Amino acid sequence: KAGVTQTPRYLIKTRGQQVTLSCSPISGHRSVSWYQQTPGQGLQFLFEYFSETQRNKGNFPGRFSGRQFSNSRSEMNVSTLELGDSALYLCASSLWQGGAGELFFGEGSRLTVL
Amino acid sequence: TQLLEQSPQFLSIQEGENLTVYCNSSSVFSSLQWYRQEPGEGPVLLVTVVTGGEVKKLKRLTFQFGDARKDSSLHITAAQPGDTGLYLCADYGGSNYKLTFGKGTLLTVNP
Repeated sequence: KAGVTQTPRYLIKTRGQQVTLSCSPISGHRSVSWYQQTPGQGLQFLFEYFSETQRNKGNFPGRFSGRQFSNSRSEMNVSTLELGDSALYLCASSLWQGGAGELFFGEGSRLTVL
Repeated sequence: TQLLEQSPQFLSIQEGENLTVYCNSSSVFSSLQWYRQEPGEGPVLLVTVVTGGEVKKLKRLTFQFGDARKDSSLHITAAQPGDTGLYLCADYGGSNYKLTFGKGTLLTVNP
């Protein structure tokens, strides 16, 4: 079966701009989680969506937001980009809420902020 | 807030050697997972351990869960270049079911 698909894979933005990243989960998976990965902080939880509702949120500023559509596809948005937002953004899907059980990760979207 | 510490941070070995990496938690694990992330890829789940003292084997990989459920180790026998990657431990600690990751051990196996 098809895996988790994230687009775009790579993107370059400048400070102050905004960016939208997309994630298509495995068919049948209703939970989508987002993580930020940096060399210094590792993988940090951003938020989780289940059945179009945000169920859990990490410790990130309000510039980071997301949503989930009725087909379980999810988008995350970062507004007013800062240099420190440069990271690999990973999306993961799961059958159950809270990610209970196995998480299936996409290959990530690598964001560079100049 | 649960903290997961992994050691060593970096490990570079020759093909055929054995190695062990560690994961220690500031609080009792609920359901510890080990992932491997290869360059340019997302993490892939290797194993989930739940019971204190549990040992699981996956081919040349042996995962051990400490009796007190605050530590875990991953042992690789006769490492191969294909084992190269970032090894991450993660846990669903607390009541909000978010997965907390350690920073990982970056393993390089040289041919």
